[in-house]
Amino acid sequence: QKEVEQDPGPLSVPEGAIVSLNCTYSNSAFQYFMWYRQYSRKGPELLMYTYSSGNKEDGRFTAQVDKSSKYISLFIRDSQPSDSATYLCALLTQGGSEKLVFGKGMKLTVNP
Amino acid sequence: GAGVSQSPRYKVAKRGQDVALRCDPISGHVSLFWYQQALGQGPEFLTYFQNEAQLDKSGLPSDRFFAERPEGSVSTLKIQRTQQEDSAVYLCASSLAQRAEQFFGPGTRLTVL
Repeated sequence: QKEVEQDPGPLSVPEGAIVSLNCTYSNSAFQYFMWYRQYSRKGPELLMYTYSSGNKEDGRFTAQVDKSSKYISLFIRDSQPSDSATYLCALLTQGGSEKLVFGKGMKLTVNP
Repeated sequence: GAGVSQSPRYKVAKRGQDVALRCDPISGHVSLFWYQQALGQGPEFLTYFQNEAQLDKSGLPSDRFFAERPEGSVSTLKIQRTQQEDSAVYLCASSLAQRAEQFFGPGTRLTVL
C-alpha cells in the first residue's frame, strides 16, 4: 500500500460545477497537507498549504483535512475551463526529511 | 528570471549514455529538491539539499544517480549509463526555509532510447 492514495480519474465536469478531489494516507506522522496544480508540460504550482486538521479557504478553493480519518479534500466551486489540469495532493511530516510525498494526481477537465 | 529554471528542457539519450541535468533555484532559497515524475504518476522524491549539504538521498533509485550542489546554489543531477526505465520528467524545486512552500521548475523531460 502506498503512503498516499489518490484516485487518478480522469474527471470531466461542466463549467460551474463543484469539484471534489480527495486523498487518503496511512502515515500519522504527516502534519502538513498541500494541493498542487499541474498544467500539461509544466511544473506543479502550490494551490493550498494547510497544517494539521481543519479547513482553509482561498477564493473558489477550499481545503479540508481530517486527521482522524487520514483523509484530505480539495473543493473547487464554480469551476472554470482554466481549472482543467492535474491536481496533486502532497504531504509532509512534522520532523525529519523535508521530502514531499505526492498522490498519483487527478486529471480534471472542465468543459465550457 | 524569478522562478526555478532547469536545463535542458528536453534530453534524448541513447541507452548507456551519461546525462547531466541542471537546476537553478530561486536566489536565496536554502533548500533544493529533485523529484522524478513518470508518465501519469505523481512526482517521486529523489534527494534534497540544504545549502550544499545533501540531507536525504533515500529516493535515488540506484548508484547510477548522483546529485550535487557544491556551492549551495546551482545543482546538477547526473545519471550514468542511462536505462529505458530512467525515462521520465525530472523536476527541481527550491524553498526559502524549512517546511516552506516548494517552488517547482518546469522539469527536464528525459527520453532514453
